[in-house]
Amino acid sequence: GESVGLHLPTLSVQEGDNSIINCAYSNSASDYFIWYKQESGKGPQFIIDIRSNMDKRQGQRVTVLLNKTVKHLSLQIAATQPGDSAVYFCAENMGSGGSNYKLTFGKGTLLTVNP
Amino acid sequence: KAGVTQTPRYLIKTRGQQVTLSCSPISGHRSVSWYQQTPGQGLQFLFEYFSETQRNKGNFPGRFSGRQFSNSRSEMNVSTLELGDSALYLCASSPVRASGRSVLYEQYFGPGTRLTVT
Repeated sequence: GESVGLHLPTLSVQEGDNSIINCAYSNSASDYFIWYKQESGKGPQFIIDIRSNMDKRQGQRVTVLLNKTVKHLSLQIAATQPGDSAVYFCAENMGSGGSNYKLTFGKGTLLTVNP
Repeated sequence: KAGVTQTPRYLIKTRGQQVTLSCSPISGHRSVSWYQQTPGQGLQFLFEYFSETQRNKGNFPGRFSGRQFSNSRSEMNVSTLELGDSALYLCASSPVRASGRSVLYEQYFGPGTRLTVT
């Protein structure tokens, strides 16, 4: 499959464990954040989003935490499964609002789930 | 619904040439965005098209351009190719609210076009 990046931070977990992937963002004015999952040979896939007026949002097996004080975003995956193995990206929206947007992506973290 | 399709999937060009990549969005999606993905720089936003107009733009030189047709299909062009343009080029489509705001959480990516410049 396609290699999405070299020298990525990596996280290796055992199947069934919880995973926490971290991301530092750059612009304190960013108002919207998204986590994406990218499997080998595929384009990024939306996982979960959060607006800057929230500090936590939960989805199915995933939780995103936002700490605006230190400009930090994290993705927690509960009961990690082999199918969760992929590169995970955070993205921040640095647009001026309305129809203007400009997504800036983090470098990504490679998650490997060991059976 | 069919997903976002991109053609060609793989392309090899030489320095100085130009290239055109094509993207067909999901039916009903009127916003099309382009991204460049490289090992060194990661995923970077190129530009977004809506209603046949470039609405948002990233920080890329003028050699990178695009257009959108009335059926929302989009093409991206890179002129005077450089070795550093070798990358995976991703297209994504999303619906647009009546307000004009793109629904980013419903943005779907295609599989990409792998461009190699020699």
